[in-house]
Amino acid sequence: DAGITQSPRHKVTETGTPVTLRCHQTENHRYMYWYRQDPGHGLRLIHYSYGVKDTDKGEVSDGYSVSRSKTEDFLLTLESATSSQTSVYFCAISESGGSRYEQYFGPGTRLTVT
Amino acid sequence: AQSVTQPDIHITVSEGASLELRCNYSYGATPYLFWYVQSPGQGLQLLLKYFSGDTLVQGIKGFEAEFKRSQSSFNLRKPSVHWSDAAEYFCAVAVSKMRFGAGTRLTVKP
Repeated sequence: DAGITQSPRHKVTETGTPVTLRCHQTENHRYMYWYRQDPGHGLRLIHYSYGVKDTDKGEVSDGYSVSRSKTEDFLLTLESATSSQTSVYFCAISESGGSRYEQYFGPGTRLTVT
Repeated sequence: AQSVTQPDIHITVSEGASLELRCNYSYGATPYLFWYVQSPGQGLQLLLKYFSGDTLVQGIKGFEAEFKRSQSSFNLRKPSVHWSDAAEYFCAVAVSKMRFGAGTRLTVKP
């Protein structure tokens, strides 16, 4: 895992509570991504960022928001967690230009919503 | 619709046997193509990538993949599987955004 950390690594929370997951990189890469991984679905893109304060939606963005105030940090927030958001969440990073699609992944955060 | 298909959910091979994992995609243009591997409880590790040029690409851990435009495929191969190759393998395709297949779980028999 090339200079990418995620916190927390495990979290159990109750339905209706807000949750924030953090991704931190030391590679100074421009792009950062949040994915969720569920059995039978592979990884699905939630949101991504192409620079500080620049973000865009992925294919499963409903119920999630993101923020990026510094190059190295990308936060994913579940405003009001639901059981359908129980999943493993992965952060990824990539450089700009021709390497933009070459993504490197963090270790993941396992989130359980009860 | 754009899609990435890994037809095999689970494959079992004997140690030392050859391996081929299939990946097909449906995109209007030729996308960038990737294979990732995920060991249990771990993140994804990039095995290899195809952007352009030679359609046979070499990756880490002795893996290779061949891009076949006419078949819209990017199959992953390894001539001799080791027990440590047991993991889940994901094909990924990128045009404007990355899209992943559902994954193939590989079991290696001793």
